[in-house]
Amino acid sequence: DTGVSQDPRHKITKRGQNVTFRCDPISEHNRLYWYRQTLGQGPEFLTYFQNEAQLEKSRLLSDRFSAERPKGSFSTLEIQRTEQGDSAMYLCASAQGLQETQYFGPGTRLLVL
Amino acid sequence: AQSVAQPEDQVNVAEGNPLTVKCTYSVSGNPYLFWYVQYPNRGLQFLLKYITGDNLVKGSYGFEAEFNKSQTSFHLKKPSALVSDSALYFCAVRGGYSSASKIIFGSGTRLSIRP
Repeated sequence: DTGVSQDPRHKITKRGQNVTFRCDPISEHNRLYWYRQTLGQGPEFLTYFQNEAQLEKSRLLSDRFSAERPKGSFSTLEIQRTEQGDSAMYLCASAQGLQETQYFGPGTRLLVL
Repeated sequence: AQSVAQPEDQVNVAEGNPLTVKCTYSVSGNPYLFWYVQYPNRGLQFLLKYITGDNLVKGSYGFEAEFNKSQTSFHLKKPSALVSDSALYFCAVRGGYSSASKIIFGSGTRLSIRP
C-alpha cells in the first residue's frame, strides 16, 4: 500500500523563478488537498479537488499560485515569480469521500533565496 | 468561522507518566475532530478522529481523545508516555456541513518525553 507521495522533497530557488510541485495521492482517493505550513505553525488550507474539479481555493492562494489535477489522479501546484515569503513546507493530502480521513504526504520544502 | 486552539506550545512529561495535550474548538454544526502527529521533516500522520458516537475515541500508538461538547474540547491522552512519543501534535477541526471540507489546524503542541 503506497501512501501519498510528493516530488520533489526539497526545492531551493531564486526569487522570481517559477516552481512546480507534484503530488500523487493514494490510488482511488477522489479528494486531494494542498496545504502550506510555515515554521512553528499548523498547516493552512490552500485548495482542494474532487476528482479533476477544483472546488475551493483559500484567499491565501494568490494569483501567482495555480493548481491542477487534470485527470483526477496526480496534482501539480505551480508558484510563479516566487517571493521569499513563499518559503514553506507544501503538504498534499488525499481522502476518499467527504467524511474520510485526510492522509498526508511527506511534503515539499521550498526555500526562496 | 472554524477555529482550533492548542493553549500549550510545549508539554513535558516523564516517561511512564500519563500525558494530556489540550485542544478546544469552535465550529458551526457538528464538529469532525482530528489529531495528527508530525515528526521532524516529515508529513503529518493521522492518529485518531471523532465524527459521531462514543465520546472516547481510541487511536494509533495507544493514544485516545475525549470529545466534550459542553466544553468544546477534544484533549489527547495517553496513560503511559514513551520517549518515542516526543513529536509535534496538531489538533484539527472540520465543520459538519457538507460544503465545509477543509480542515483547520491548531498551531501545534510540542510534546517532550524525558527518560
